[in-house]
Amino acid sequence: EDQVTQSPEALRLQEGESSSLNCSYTVSGLRGLFWYRQDPGKGPEFLFTLYSAGEEKEKERLKATLTKKESFLHITAPKPEDSATYLCAVQKGDSGNTPLVFGKGTRLSVIA
Amino acid sequence: EAGVVQSPRYKIIEKKQPVAFWCNPISGHNTLYWYLQNLGQGPELLIRYENEEAVDDSQLPKDRFSAERLKGVDSTLKIQPAELGDSAVYLCASSNHNEQFFGPGTRLTVL
Repeated sequence: EDQVTQSPEALRLQEGESSSLNCSYTVSGLRGLFWYRQDPGKGPEFLFTLYSAGEEKEKERLKATLTKKESFLHITAPKPEDSATYLCAVQKGDSGNTPLVFGKGTRLSVIA
Repeated sequence: EAGVVQSPRYKIIEKKQPVAFWCNPISGHNTLYWYLQNLGQGPELLIRYENEEAVDDSQLPKDRFSAERLKGVDSTLKIQPAELGDSAVYLCASSNHNEQFFGPGTRLTVL
């Protein structure tokens, strides 16, 4: 059975305090790993897709990396506006339209 | 470019009542998804459409849930009758062979 486990469940950081969120996965035939950001009362907002081990992608203060068993979302010098829930999801198969299997997310709070 | 549109944003109903949710995907996106998100959980797939065809509906509780996408664009998800346990956020997403983009969701409360 495909599984996505995110840790920690919640993380509280001071502004400027860098850290990493973890997403470990068990899936046969991984096509891609996705990171989303979700603010309260809103739908998930797409951040990154990673397709192969060793791949890295960056956007502002965020950098996502991928290995064969896990992905990390590194947050460098976070600001209060980075506070949100970060969701990791995996996609299997050979089509870009197959459904995503999500983890439970990590709730990030950045305190000024 | 307009994103995925959903309505209503919030719905409060009594148990055993029917309810319907509407979704308009991003223009040109042939694939449409309905996901269910419970509090503190990630979204879980209910049904996936490729154009008008439901191609993945194994997680849809068919005794009370139904969905349609008659012209391959807009979609409606219906629950009849609603139960207390159906209280959740119902998310619609669309894609065109790459990333999935989500709407804001409909928050359903069943009393």
